[in-house]
Amino acid sequence: DQQVKQNSPSLSVQEGRISILNCDYTNSMFDYFLWYKKYPAEGPTFLISISSIKDKNEDGRFTVFLNKSAKHLSLHIVPSQPGDSAVYFCAASEGQNFVFGPGTRLSVLP
Amino acid sequence: DTAVSQTPKYLVTQMGNDKSIKCEQNLGHDTMYWYKQDSKKFLKIMFSYNNKELIINETVPNRFSPKSPDKAHLNLHINSLELGDSAVYFCASSQTGYNGYTFGSGTRLTVV
Repeated sequence: DQQVKQNSPSLSVQEGRISILNCDYTNSMFDYFLWYKKYPAEGPTFLISISSIKDKNEDGRFTVFLNKSAKHLSLHIVPSQPGDSAVYFCAASEGQNFVFGPGTRLSVLP
Repeated sequence: DTAVSQTPKYLVTQMGNDKSIKCEQNLGHDTMYWYKQDSKKFLKIMFSYNNKELIINETVPNRFSPKSPDKAHLNLHINSLELGDSAVYFCASSQTGYNGYTFGSGTRLTVV
């Protein structure tokens, strides 16, 4: 049973435009959420996180939005750059137990 | 100066063999993990371990066992390998109270 879902396996965006990656979860006990970025042949790298007490967290070009009532979070990348092309994993946690989504492959086209 | 390193990167072996994957972190983190990436690309926790507690995902077969000689190392031993064990295995570490994990680059295990 998938507790963390990323329903779009892939996404293509033009360079300079906004990329929006979505993530849904089912467990209302999750209280911390993270996004990871993964290049081919490398491990996932931490990108940005948000606690359930917030609804937005921003770090440079990356912003994560959390809608607790909808059990939905999204990652916005503005402006998108070709180097952002990677697989993005959403993860949710309750305490030390982290659950990862299947990932969305983002392709930023020059 | 890789933060979390796993060896080997690739491992091809026959069914029934016993193999180990090594993981080392030089970040001074207090907790280490093993994840299995399944065919649908989900990352599933197998074990988490700090110097006080080993937490095992109950769905992991007991053919898999973690061994931690010290807090900088968490090795994964697999006995009697099966075809279904073929996957990419990621080691990770974290520090209690801080955000996020640091992952290794993964070990692609192929059982033939």
